[in-house]
Amino acid sequence: SQQGEEDPQALSIQEGENATMNCSYKTSINNLQWYRQNSGRGLVHLILIRSNEREKHSGRLRVTLDTSKKSSSLLITASRAADTASYFCATAGNNRKLIWGLGTSLAVNP
Amino acid sequence: ETGVTQSPTHLIKTRGQQVTLRCSSQSGHNTVSWYQQALGQGPQFIFQYYREEENGRGNFPPRFSGLQFPNYSSELNVNALELDDSALYLCASSLVNTEAFFGQGTRLTVV
Repeated sequence: SQQGEEDPQALSIQEGENATMNCSYKTSINNLQWYRQNSGRGLVHLILIRSNEREKHSGRLRVTLDTSKKSSSLLITASRAADTASYFCATAGNNRKLIWGLGTSLAVNP
Repeated sequence: ETGVTQSPTHLIKTRGQQVTLRCSSQSGHNTVSWYQQALGQGPQFIFQYYREEENGRGNFPPRFSGLQFPNYSSELNVNALELDDSALYLCASSLVNTEAFFGQGTRLTVV
């Protein structure tokens, strides 16, 4: 079953613009992770935010977590054509399993 | 490169056959998870192995089974293949509750 729900399902922007994707989940978590997937191949870990953290940065990525609303957002600043991919959030609880959303498909147009 | 390798990369099988997919985990990682990803969907958790023991299972029938070896590499076996089993199968290795490192996946097509 899916835990996370990403919003929007698809996003198309111009190079240089910012891209924001949201993720909502249902149960309590230890951490929330964002991954990227190119062309249906393996997923690449982007960033992990723990349940006691509210914001985290990594390069052009900024992730926020609001545990009261059970939601997270991923912001990609100054997007590039190479950022075109699908982005997934995954939540980790006490049972060590990662539970995934359906993903947001991002297209960055040159 | 994540250090996680899966084999084969592509596979075509006939309905009713059996298949074994393999995964070698990143050095030092004792946890391996398997996922099924249908086209246009997010990964669905199949099961996880921790130090050679199954440590959780998703909503998959018993014909999906697995193994983890002492070197922490792993196999996913699927018996009596059905057309709906066609998907990308992903293996991920990790330590407990840390980020997962994925292989490139095995694309299984059942005809």
